[in-house]
Amino acid sequence: DAGVTQSPTHLIKTRGQHVTLRCSPISGHKSVSWYQQVLGQGPQFIFQYYEKEERGRGNFPDRFSARQFPNYSSELNVNALLLGDSALYLCASSLAARQIYTLNTEAFFGQGTRLTVV
Amino acid sequence: GQQLNQSPQSMFIQEGEDVSMNCTSSSIFNTWLWYKQDPGEGPVLLIALYKAGELTSNGRLTAQFGITRKDSFLNISASIPSDVGIYFCAGPTLMDSNYQLIWGAGTKLIIKP
Repeated sequence: DAGVTQSPTHLIKTRGQHVTLRCSPISGHKSVSWYQQVLGQGPQFIFQYYEKEERGRGNFPDRFSARQFPNYSSELNVNALLLGDSALYLCASSLAARQIYTLNTEAFFGQGTRLTVV
Repeated sequence: GQQLNQSPQSMFIQEGEDVSMNCTSSSIFNTWLWYKQDPGEGPVLLIALYKAGELTSNGRLTAQFGITRKDSFLNISASIPSDVGIYFCAGPTLMDSNYQLIWGAGTKLIIKP
């Protein structure tokens, strides 16, 4: 079975542009979460989606948006890119939305999309 | 907001040595998670702890959930080259009826040549 897949793996954009990042969860997983990881730091929670609905949002500006499709894949959109948006964007999939954090509902991460804003 | 403080930031060790790192918080957590991240990869869950005082092993890795529920420790015995990477602690916090993961800044493990 394929794990969590993200595309593209690397991306270079200029300030002011917008970007769309994509994530396909593990087959059977209905929840997708997005994280931003700036170099030298731990991941920061951006969004969680479950059954196509937003179930959680971190402390990020409205330039960040996301959606989940009927096949449970997800897109993260960032508008009006800033230099500070340069980071590794991670997608994690899990079975359930509440993420009770038992071993049956742990989140599995993709390899990430490295976004560089110049 | 809640923060997790990891120490040390980085460690240089000899192959075969034992490694210890810890994670502390000013708030109580009901679950502690330890992840490892290799370069160019996403984090991989190593150990999950659900009960204060719990000691759990995964091969050469052992983690403990502190009695105060404000800290956790990860030990690696007899380190090998593939242990190199960044180790993160994380804990779920309830926000708007859903859990979000709060992460530490990581401990970078480097093996001396």
